[in-house]
Formats: sequence, structure tokens, C-alpha cells
Amino acid sequence: QQQVKQSPQSLIVQKGGISIINCAYENTAFDYFPWYQQFPGKGPALLIAIRPDVSEKKEGRFTISFNKSAKQFSLHIMDSQPGDSATYFCAASDQIQGAQKLVFGQGTRLTINP
Amino acid sequence: DVKVTQSSRYLVKRTGEKVFLECVQDMDHENMFWYRQDPGLGLRLIYFSYDVKMKEKGDIPEGYSVSREKKERFSLILESASTNQTSMYLCASSWYNEQFFGPGTRLTVL
Repeated sequence: QQQVKQSPQSLIVQKGGISIINCAYENTAFDYFPWYQQFPGKGPALLIAIRPDVSEKKEGRFTISFNKSAKQFSLHIMDSQPGDSATYFCAASDQIQGAQKLVFGQGTRLTINP
Repeated sequence: DVKVTQSSRYLVKRTGEKVFLECVQDMDHENMFWYRQDPGLGLRLIYFSYDVKMKEKGDIPEGYSVSREKKERFSLILESASTNQTSMYLCASSWYNEQFFGPGTRLTVL
């Protein structure tokens, strides 16, 4: 059972446009929601993250919007650039034995056309 | 910079072989993880370790085992490789909430 559902699977956006990726989760025990960015041939890297006590977090062109009651969160990339072309994963976590265990969404392959 | 290295970028093995995937981190992190990445399924947790010689099953542990004899090294073992274990394998270590990933090992089982 997929505990974190991500959509769309792929997304094409024109340079300068807004890219939006959505995720929904089921487990209300999740307490940390990161987004990871993965370029071809590389491992994923943390992009931005949010805790459920805030509704929005912004870092540069990247914003997470969080809706606790709907159990949904989304990544917005403003002024999208060709260098943003990558695969994006949302995730959710809880603590087990002191370790943060992440559950990942299915991933979104983002292509920014120049 | 945190560095997580994996022993091989590409590996080809035959069905029934015992396969070892090695991961080393250089930042003295307590927690280490093994994931497999498949198209349309995202990353799925196989096993993780929160201390030396301590391990916990993840979401898909069947057919795998792990070993952590030293803090910096976490090994994934496929006891008898099968074709459905063909995948990209990613190792990670974590500092508080952030996980740092290696570049991955693409394993093909023929």
C-alpha cells in the first residue's frame, strides 16, 4: 500500500512557468515532509522540507504548501529554469528507534523546455 | 561535504548468485539506509541501521539481508539473486532529518 501518493508522474513546463507537483499521505503520525531532487546518474538530494505546524515554506524559487486537514502537500517551482529539469520525490517520515524513516512518493520527472 | 560512496556503479550477476553491495559514509552518521528505486514506484526502504550491529527491516526486506560491523560501512546482501531484484540500489546516511544519498548501484540479474 502506497502511503504517499505523488502526481503527476511526468510534467513538461515552459521556461519561466510555474511547476506544481502534488502529494497526499495517509498516516497522521508523519511529522516531517521533505522534497528530494534527483539528477540523472546522481542520488537524490534534499531540496526543501516542512513540518506540519506551518502551512507554507519558501526557499528562493521553491515553495512547499501544506494542508494538514486534507493530508496534502505540494511543491511549487516559480520561474522554472532548464536546470530544474530533474526527478522530484516527495516524502514523509516518522521516527523509529531514533532514526527518521522516510516513505517516498512515486516520483515526478520534470522537464523545463527552453 | 558529506560523502556516501557505493562500491560499484554497475553490476551484472546471474540468478542464484550471492551479491554484496557496499556503502561507506565519511561523516560519522549513526543511521544508514538501503533503498531500491524502480520507475513508477519511487524509493522503497529495504533495511536501515540506527547503530553498529543494529538493524531494522524496512518495507521490502524479503530476499535481502544487511550487515553493519563498523559505523561507516553498511552492506546489503542478496542471498540468492533473482531477476526481480534487478533495480537501482541507493544507500543513504542521515544527520537528524536529512538523508544523504550515494550515487547508486544499478544491478542487473540475468
